[in-house]
Formats: sequence, C-alpha cells, structure tokens
Amino acid sequence: AQSVTQLGSHVSVSEGALVLLRCNYSSSVPPYLFWYVQYPNQGLQLLLKYTSAATLVKGINGFEAEFKKSETSFHLTKPSAHMSDAAEYFCAVRSNDYKLSFGAGTTVTVRA
Amino acid sequence: DVKVTQSSRYLVKRTGEKVFLECVQDMDHENMFWYRQDPGLGLRLIYFSYDVKMKEKGDIPEGYSVSREKKERFSLILESASTNQTSMYLCASSLEVRWGAYFGPGTRLTVT
Repeated sequence: AQSVTQLGSHVSVSEGALVLLRCNYSSSVPPYLFWYVQYPNQGLQLLLKYTSAATLVKGINGFEAEFKKSETSFHLTKPSAHMSDAAEYFCAVRSNDYKLSFGAGTTVTVRA
Repeated sequence: DVKVTQSSRYLVKRTGEKVFLECVQDMDHENMFWYRQDPGLGLRLIYFSYDVKMKEKGDIPEGYSVSREKKERFSLILESASTNQTSMYLCASSLEVRWGAYFGPGTRLTVT
C-alpha cells in the first residue's frame, strides 16, 4: 500500500532562511504526491502536486518540491521563509482511486 | 473556486449523544471524504463516498456512519458519542483523487 513518512514533526527557521520539509514515500506504482498546508484553525489547502509531468513542481506562496524516484522522496522547499509560512504541512500520496494517505505532519515555526 | 463548507466550526456534545456533522460542496464532485485529524497522527480516513448513496469504509470507521442522499452533501454521524471521538473532523471532495482533494475548514468536536 502506498504511504508517506514525514521526517521531523517540528521545524524552526529564521525569517529569510531556507525552509526544507522532508517527505519519503512508499509506492509500488508511479505515485501521485501532494503537499498541503494548514494554517491555525483552518482546513487543508493544496500547495502543490506531482502527477508525473515534471520532477520539479512549483506551488503557491513560493514553495516547490522535487520528485526523486531514486530516493523515493518528495521534499518541500522555500528559499526564504516568511512569518506567514508558520503552519502545519502535510505530505500525501494517492493510495488508490478513492484515497489519499497523509503523513503525520510537520509544524513550521518562523523566528523573527 | 471549489468551496467545501462544514456546518459547524466548533461543537461540544455529551457522551452518548447522537452527533451529525454536515458537509456541502459546490463543484459537482463525485468523491467526498470524512477525515479525522489528531496531533501526531496526521489525517485518517473514516469513510468516503464515490456516488450518491454509495459509501465505503476507510481506515477507522468504528463508531461512525455516513449518509449521502444528494451529490453535494455528505454527512458524518456519531451514533453514540464517546470521549475518544474528541477530535478535528475534516470533510473533503474531489473530482479524481489523483488531482488532489479540496478540504472544508473543519469541525472541532469536543465530547465531554
């Protein structure tokens, strides 16, 4: 069954520093992969998705992710963190036609 | 833009009460989902529906049931609420899961 693992439940970065959130997947077929963001007291918002068209995927708010099949990874990055990036981030994979499986989430704190 | 709305943002119920959580989407999506979100566990799928009156169990269906009488509406029912059902409940909809899902704002349910 397809699944994802997020490395690190909490990440703290300084404003202006690189944001790197790690996600590794397990899939027996070419995966469909997603990153979602959840701001406090809100639902999940789709940041970006990998659907095999390109290995480097650009999303909203300056985020991007690179699909690396050899490493089974789909890490999320942003070159320069902003205070508004403080949120919880979830990596997800399509498990079957009717299911997305989510990682445990990574909370990002941005220090002024 | 896709809009997924949930009937309540916050709900407090007593043990043993019957609880209804309502979800409505406005994009004519076939697929609708109910997830439960708990700290450190990410999102876990309770039930999903791929058509009107069709429903399938997810990973944690025990203690829950669902109803989908109209395409746009998907209800989650706690027949007899228990304290271990205190959680954040997220509804989502999608046209095809491989393109991702759109989430509602969530209902934070507290059972006392």
